[in-house]
Amino acid sequence: ETGVTQTPRHLVMGMTNKKSLKCEQHLGHNAMYWYKQSAKKPLELMFVYNFKEQTENNSVPSRFSPECPNSSHLFLHLHTLQPEDSALYLCASSHAGGGQGDGYTFGSGTRLTVV
Amino acid sequence: GQNIDQPTEMTATEGAIVQINCTYQTSGFNGLFWYQQHAGEAPTFLSYNVLDGLEEKGRFSSFLSRSKGYSYLLLKELQMKDSASYLCAVRSNRDDKIIFGKGTRLHILP
Repeated sequence: ETGVTQTPRHLVMGMTNKKSLKCEQHLGHNAMYWYKQSAKKPLELMFVYNFKEQTENNSVPSRFSPECPNSSHLFLHLHTLQPEDSALYLCASSHAGGGQGDGYTFGSGTRLTVV
Repeated sequence: GQNIDQPTEMTATEGAIVQINCTYQTSGFNGLFWYQQHAGEAPTFLSYNVLDGLEEKGRFSSFLSRSKGYSYLLLKELQMKDSASYLCAVRSNRDDKIIFGKGTRLHILP
């Protein structure tokens, strides 16, 4: 365990389903991130939260909806996804300012398959 | 904008040394990171360079040249468990975001 916990580890959902991914950290970090990792592509930054406030939405389609109720928890709500949204979704956390010399601490990810 | 280039795949032999290169272009630089990611697992932090030079940490070392936009990760005394993807990532000093390269998949042969 890295200190950042993601659930579920695997998720299969139909295109009409609604599901949520959960991320939790107890490292005392105050910034949290969602990344998408597809095969043969770099990690794509989706959303950034600093002190519970969304500071970045990297042109992500509205079928992905983030929620950050507090500095320790981050959710990604999914609805009416497309097969091309199948990927590994990684949550990360850091101290504000990008974590300085520590960088980000990542969770193990949720492997999402849209059928 | 930012762009990060690193080789897609490399192969090396157990016990040997391998160097993974990374070149980057960024509009503002505030540090370079190397992460290791085993298949199906979380990326884990390996090293951080913000000044020019070599940072050594056990079997792993990372080098940075800011003027050349260049870094490398050096892995010594390779072990089978070093088979993984190695991600080069750069942080911008404009917004503190960390942008990742596509990663280099390293295969270790016995």
